[in-house]
Amino acid sequence: SQQGEEDPQALSIQEGENATMNCSYKTSINNLQWYRQNSGRGLVHLILIRSNEREKHSGRLRVTLDTSKKSSSLLITASRAADTASYFCATGRSGNTGKLIFGQGTTLQVKP
Amino acid sequence: DAGVIQSPRHEVTEMGQEVTLRCKPISGHDYLFWYRQTMMRGLELLIYFNNNVPIDDSGMPEDRFSAKMPNASFSTLKIQPSEPRDSAVYFCASSFAGALKETQYFGPGTRLLVL
Repeated sequence: SQQGEEDPQALSIQEGENATMNCSYKTSINNLQWYRQNSGRGLVHLILIRSNEREKHSGRLRVTLDTSKKSSSLLITASRAADTASYFCATGRSGNTGKLIFGQGTTLQVKP
Repeated sequence: DAGVIQSPRHEVTEMGQEVTLRCKPISGHDYLFWYRQTMMRGLELLIYFNNNVPIDDSGMPEDRFSAKMPNASFSTLKIQPSEPRDSAVYFCASSFAGALKETQYFGPGTRLLVL
């Protein structure tokens, strides 16, 4: 079964609004990452947060991690039409084999 | 760097034919991953290599699928014989066993259609 489960599955907002996506996972992790996939393209790494971190920022992205609840959230502030894509969380397990387990993704549509 | 290179970008074949997908990882990366993505099943890890050695092939669907990595700069995923249910986008990704070894870099994918 998938380690990461994103919520919601789909999200539609207006340009300028904030978008929040959530990810839950089941087992102990070493790190959690978020990736973006534009239609017809490969996944692109956005941000990585380690298990001993609680919050991380990168530009308009803010990621939080709550290991007690086994959950993470990705916030995109001041969204743009170009942010329209699917967003996936991926977890790296303790022991760090290099392997990631990806969730099913959240499809974000930002309307101009 | 050119990034992860995959070929072909699109492949249309008939059921029963052999299909070979190719991947060139980013130079210096020592992990290579093959994924399959479909609407129904999402992104599935098929197999991954570390220093050209297969580490985990538990995601390979069945014996019709095989993967090789003869050297650090090349890998193939072969399907023989292909079936319509193999239609999907196949991604190759690579990563580096350094400080950020968990970050994977994806290729553009090969869109496979088996008729």
